[in-house]
Amino acid sequence: DAGVIQSPRHEVTEMGQEVTLRCKPISGHNSLFWYRQTMMRGLELLIYFNNNVPIDDSGMPEDRFSAKMPNASFSTLKIQPSEPRDSAVYFCASTVFALSETQYFGPGTRLLVL
Amino acid sequence: KNEVEQSPQNLTAQEGEFITINCSYSVGISALHWLQQHPGGGIVSLFMLSSGKKKHGRLIATINIQEKHSSLHITASHPRDSAVYICAVRSYNTDKLIFGTGTRLQVFP
Repeated sequence: DAGVIQSPRHEVTEMGQEVTLRCKPISGHNSLFWYRQTMMRGLELLIYFNNNVPIDDSGMPEDRFSAKMPNASFSTLKIQPSEPRDSAVYFCASTVFALSETQYFGPGTRLLVL
Repeated sequence: KNEVEQSPQNLTAQEGEFITINCSYSVGISALHWLQQHPGGGIVSLFMLSSGKKKHGRLIATINIQEKHSSLHITASHPRDSAVYICAVRSYNTDKLIFGTGTRLQVFP
């Protein structure tokens, strides 16, 4: 299995632009998680899905952030408009089911908003 | 005070040494995770615990639910163990994952 796939691996954009991050979970996994990691705040859970349905989005920082999972093999995290404070590494992870399972992380997308 | 605290924040060791990283938490939990983040940034889930002890190779994780404490041990440490080790707990009440700030380990040959 290829593991969790994220794209792009790096993104540099200007403030105000829309940013879309993509994630393909491991086949057969029913839960998908989006995390953000910064030096100041460490790892934070943004949102997670079970069976393509958003279960908890309370970690999403603002309305500028949105996440979708149109099918079991694809999810997006969108920031519109982006701001410099959104600069971080965004990780996607998947598990067979639920938060208490071992999570498999993607390589992350390093986002820099200028 | 953070709900999940790790100690030490930074740790250096000589190859072969036995290493212990500690995690204390203040909330009721249903599970505790230990993660390893490599210098390149990739994150690997090492253990998920709800009680007792788990072992995988040279890594051992223990948890004491009554004391709200977990330890991650590395036996016969090696430079390739150099990484940041992150403890995360799932809150029993809120179902949310709460992360510690990590312990940066460097093992020198």
